[in-house]
This record gives sequence, C-alpha cells and structure tokens, in this order.
Amino acid sequence: DSGVTQTPKHLITATGQRVTLRCSPRSGDLSVYWYQQSLDQGLQFLIQYYNGEERAKGNILERFSAQQFPDLHSELNLSSLELGDSALYFCASSAADDREDGYTFGSGTRLTVV
Amino acid sequence: DAKTTQPPSMDCAEGRAANLPCNHSTISGNEYVYWYRQIHSQGPQYIIHGLKNNETNEMASLIITEDRKSSTLILPHATLRDTAVYYCIVRPYRRNAGNNRKLIWGLGTSLAVNP
Repeated sequence: DSGVTQTPKHLITATGQRVTLRCSPRSGDLSVYWYQQSLDQGLQFLIQYYNGEERAKGNILERFSAQQFPDLHSELNLSSLELGDSALYFCASSAADDREDGYTFGSGTRLTVV
Repeated sequence: DAKTTQPPSMDCAEGRAANLPCNHSTISGNEYVYWYRQIHSQGPQYIIHGLKNNETNEMASLIITEDRKSSTLILPHATLRDTAVYYCIVRPYRRNAGNNRKLIWGLGTSLAVNP
C-alpha cells in the first residue's frame, strides 16, 4: 500500500457518459498529479494541484477537468467519453510543489469506455 | 518526444545484477535523472534519482556518467519480483510550477528476470 488511494479500481461506462475518479493523497502530501496511461503507452501528465490550486497543466483535454478539495483529496472528471479515453488513470502525490522527492503513485483506475 | 532513450527490453538471470542503461544526451544542468518502475499495470514506483553523483539506496544504485549524458540503473541481485517496466526520466529541479509539464515518460525498458 503506497498510501495514495484511488477509487474506483475499475470503471466501465458507455460513450458520451461522464465519470469521476477520486484520489486521496498520502498523508501530509500537498501535491496531487493525474496521469493517463493508454494501452502500451507511456504515462501522459494531465494536471497537477498543490494545496487546492492548479499548478501545472499537461495534455489534458477540454472534456476533462479536475479539482483538489480542502481536505486535499482530488477528483478527475471525464465527460463526453469516447472509446479512446479507455486507459489507466493514475494519481500521484508528493510532499510539496516540485521538490526533489519522487512521486508516490496510487494503484490506478482502469476506465473502459464501451 | 521523450528526452531519454532506453532499450525496449532486457533479460536478466535471477540473482545476477541487472544493468539498465539510459541515454539522456540533451540533459540540462539543472535536470535530475529519475528512475521508476511499473509492475504489470500497477502504479509506478519511485526507485532512485540523482543529479551528477552516483547514488545508492536499498533498492538500487544509479551511476551517472561524468558528462551526464547517460546513466545506468543497477539492481545488484535481481529477483523475479523485479520483473517490470523501468522508466528513466529527466526532470528539471527548480521551484517552478511549470516543471511538471516537462516530465515526459517514454516507453521504458521491460525487464524480464528469469529463474
């Protein structure tokens, strides 16, 4: 157990639908990062939050949005889902914004869009 | 495009050292080298990082060449549980919120440890 909790572990939904993925960072960590990993692809950075504020944006589609709440958990909202959105979505956390530390990843949410 | 180049796959015998190479010829002076591994679709696991000195921890050793254009991750006594995809990443270290946009994960090296 890495200390980063992601729910749900698996999600199957239809095209056009909207889903919410949840992430609870490791205790004491203020930064949350979201990544997408499609089949046989490297991890793609989506977005980072630090203490409730958006800090960096990567290749995140306009159909996707995220937020970090006062209790530091984060949600990634995916809407108007397409087949190509099927992927593993990982959340990672770190103690501070852009410190030297490595990230701690959760076990991911596997999203399947049918 | 990934800023690092790694062989797509490697094999290693159980109990032997696994040496995983990484080329990062365009690395900048303020960029660290990080290594992570991912075991069969689990979340990536941080292994080690370094700037220019060799580093060692309980998991692995990291050897960075003097010109910093390449590095080698060494698993001294590989076990079957070390079978995973190993990612080498360069990451600038500055207290700058934009740095994470520059984190580019390639496809890594798929290491198979054989009995």
